[in-house]
Amino acid sequence: EAEVAQSPRYKITEKSQAVAFWCDPISGHATLYWYRQILGQGPELLVQFQDESVVDDSQLPKDRFSAERLKGVDSTLKIQPAELGDSAMYLCASSLPGSQREQYFGPGTRLTVT
Amino acid sequence: GENVEQHPSTLSVQEGDSAVIKCTYSDSASNYFPWYKQELGKGPQLIIDIRSNVGEKKDQRIAVTLNKTAKHFSLHITETQPEDSAVYFCAASKGGGADGLTFGKGTHLIIQP
Repeated sequence: EAEVAQSPRYKITEKSQAVAFWCDPISGHATLYWYRQILGQGPELLVQFQDESVVDDSQLPKDRFSAERLKGVDSTLKIQPAELGDSAMYLCASSLPGSQREQYFGPGTRLTVT
Repeated sequence: GENVEQHPSTLSVQEGDSAVIKCTYSDSASNYFPWYKQELGKGPQLIIDIRSNVGEKKDQRIAVTLNKTAKHFSLHITETQPEDSAVYFCAASKGGGADGLTFGKGTHLIIQP
């Protein structure tokens, strides 16, 4: 069964350092999402891509976060500089394009900022 | 924007009994309502979803109901089993699921043996 791949699974970094997460969606899924999940809460959308284009980044803290999907396949989410409040699970999801499409999540990257 | 409220935050039931989790949403334009199960250390897993053109959907022991007028939807799990223990999230979106999802805060379901 096809799955969304994410790496690393765990990351510990010091505040003010840069950190990057990688996501490889299910093959053929043109829509890719990055969510952030703080412990004890539901995921919150950070950015949505359709192929290589950003569809929605209204909730992305653009002063420190950036996301790219250069070839419309895999994607990278970067934080620079990391802050203590960025400690969370970063989840990637993908779906086929268009409506009536389910979102499938990867295992996530657990970030701890010290 | 959309706001999704989920209750209860914790639910403990005896094995074999039924469990019901309820959610309300605020944006009448939302038309897609999935439910996810998340086990410790894992990503959310889609277990069932419903679209605004139907009122109820069932898949074996799991069912979801939707009341568009009242803007609420519920997850029903019958004949609960130990492996049903997890955190369950409801979500809502517009565009039939093409848009990003707005999640509730989750329900920790505990199945007592």
